[in-house]
Amino acid sequence: QSALTQPPSASGSPGQSVTISCTGTSSDIGGYNYVSWYQQHPGKAPKLMIFEVSKRPSGVPDRFSGSKSGNTASLTVSGLQAEDEADYYCSSHGGSNNYVFGSGTKVTVL
Amino acid sequence: QVQLQQWGAGLLKPSETLSLTCAVYGGSFSGYYWSWIRQPPGKGLEWIGEIYHSGGTKYKPSLKSRVTISGDTSKNQFSLKLRSVTAADTAVYYCARGGEPGSFDIWGQGTMVTVSS
Repeated sequence: QSALTQPPSASGSPGQSVTISCTGTSSDIGGYNYVSWYQQHPGKAPKLMIFEVSKRPSGVPDRFSGSKSGNTASLTVSGLQAEDEADYYCSSHGGSNNYVFGSGTKVTVL
Repeated sequence: QVQLQQWGAGLLKPSETLSLTCAVYGGSFSGYYWSWIRQPPGKGLEWIGEIYHSGGTKYKPSLKSRVTISGDTSKNQFSLKLRSVTAADTAVYYCARGGEPGSFDIWGQGTMVTVSS
């Protein structure tokens, strides 16, 4: 099963919004509402930011939001802050005993 | 606060067996799925497999022939064995807890494993 497709990079100025897309197929993103998003700073373990497409774990700012349409999921970071600069990965349940991750997007705060 | 602490050998030769263990501190091992996920240098994440507290396992199909994940509920630990490693298995390996369906809510600190002759 192939990795989900994400843009390699995205950027925005402090206070602006940035949206990252994650494209899969009807066998993963399109078939399940089990899309999650992870933030990873250099040298650190990933951190769960969004689960089940649009739900935020306790402690994650409401500046982070998720959505899905068909085979594409999206993560929006509103009110960008310097600490949001990181790599972001999407993930989806892919059926057949499988979870699949995205290729990753580097977010730069200008 | 649940924490995962992992350990294992960091340098292997081709054809050897990778062996890592992850311990669960501050929380229950029961009632959760526990996964191994890896990340080659400069690349994205790859799910390897998971074990349920009762012992049931699931593996990524392309790795299934080389992977075994086992658990020890008495020690609140689970382990990964990956046989016949090659340079392509060089990666940071993470253990993680399956939280809400389809997500990994708690991660270990990661272990860099290098395969080199």
